Amino acid sequence: NAGVTQTPKFQVLKTGQSMTLQCAQDMNHEYMSWYRQDPGMGLRLIHYSVGAGITDQGEVPNGYNVSRSTTEDFPLRLLSAAPSQTSVYFCASSYRDTKNIQYFGAGTRLSVL
Amino acid sequence: GESVGLHLPTLSVQEGDNSIINCAYSNSASDYFIWYKQESGKGPQFIIDIRSNMDKRQGQRVTVLLNKTVKHLSLQIAATQPGDSAVYFCAENYGGATNKLIFGTGTLLAVQP
Repeated sequence: NAGVTQTPKFQVLKTGQSMTLQCAQDMNHEYMSWYRQDPGMGLRLIHYSVGAGITDQGEVPNGYNVSRSTTEDFPLRLLSAAPSQTSVYFCASSYRDTKNIQYFGAGTRLSVL
Repeated sequence: GESVGLHLPTLSVQEGDNSIINCAYSNSASDYFIWYKQESGKGPQFIIDIRSNMDKRQGQRVTVLLNKTVKHLSLQIAATQPGDSAVYFCAENYGGATNKLIFGTGTLLAVQP
């Protein structure tokens, strides 16, 4: 099993550009989520999904869109990148019945200039 | 990566000593409290959790204590090793159908040889 795979590992964008961060898991987990991590701020939940076709907002959803068309994939879209979105982004997944044990990807480091 | 440790509370301990990492939580209705470890350049990794109706739980070399009266959670690491150097996050599971984890800001544990 590859676990949780995030692509790309690094990305530089200009203000106003759009892009999609990819996240895929091969563990058949129902639950997937996106976090951003900024220095001194811990991990903040952006969006999450409890299953295919179901998504919901977390703590900091503005400027981001998600969809969950399959169990495996949970892409995060930045519609119009802003410097405030410079961060490290982590995707995580878990089984519904072991909800506390989330498996994280290696992260995507995004810089918006 | 390394920038995650900036501006974080830091606990510095000698190798072989016991470490105690503290966390204050906010939501009295959370049904689980969890500890994660994040090594430099990696995603967080689950360590141990405790249900809200318990006050102590032990794992391998780790113990979590929960004091609901003062909304305080602690992680004790016995015989701290250099491999324990990392950022440690506490998290609350808000429970219900949302399966939402909310993370604290983290503590950097630095183990001195």
